[in-house]
Amino acid sequence: GNSVTQMEGPVTLSEEAFLTINCTYTATGYPSLFWYVQYPGEGLQLLLKATKADDKGSNKGFEATYRKETTSFHLEKGSVQVSDSAVYFCALSHNNNDMRFGAGTRLTVKP
Amino acid sequence: EPEVTQTPSHQVTQMGQEVILRCVPISNHLYFYWYRQILGQKVEFLVSFYNNEISEKSEIFDDQFSVERPDGSNFTLKIRSTKLEDSAMYFCASSSTGVGGGEQFFGPGTRLTVL
Repeated sequence: GNSVTQMEGPVTLSEEAFLTINCTYTATGYPSLFWYVQYPGEGLQLLLKATKADDKGSNKGFEATYRKETTSFHLEKGSVQVSDSAVYFCALSHNNNDMRFGAGTRLTVKP
Repeated sequence: EPEVTQTPSHQVTQMGQEVILRCVPISNHLYFYWYRQILGQKVEFLVSFYNNEISEKSEIFDDQFSVERPDGSNFTLKIRSTKLEDSAMYFCASSSTGVGGGEQFFGPGTRLTVL
């Protein structure tokens, strides 16, 4: 079945460090891929998405590229800020539209 | 900016009791979802709902669960006889399209604690 595996946390970085959170997926066909972010005490917010191979999603300095050949959708940011501290979820959605989430990666950015 | 709202934010109940979790999706959305997240674990799909009926459900969504859209604004999840293992954060979501790739907007969640 469809599933997502993402890098286990927690991840702790200093401000302005480079961030990578790995995500790989297993799916039949061509799912859409997402990164959601959950700030403390809040719900899930869509961070970025990509709907087909080689698409790059980007938002707030974060980027992820849909790589069909490696079945990956790694999240990157060149310079993290304290305000980026949150839990990040990789997810996929297929035609039946149920969203399959990874386990989440907690990121803490220290000043 | 329109948002999905959920009530209550925290519900405590005794094992065997019925609970109803409430959600108000974004007003022009047509597709509605429930997810749950057991503490420390991944977010899991429970059910999707469209046109007043369930369109998809996971193996978690057994006979003790039901969903309803009782009026034009609310979307509810009922757990008939709660078990300890139902303790989790329950998220409601809605989207304007049912095609894969449409953004789902999530509510802040209801934390259910079963004692």
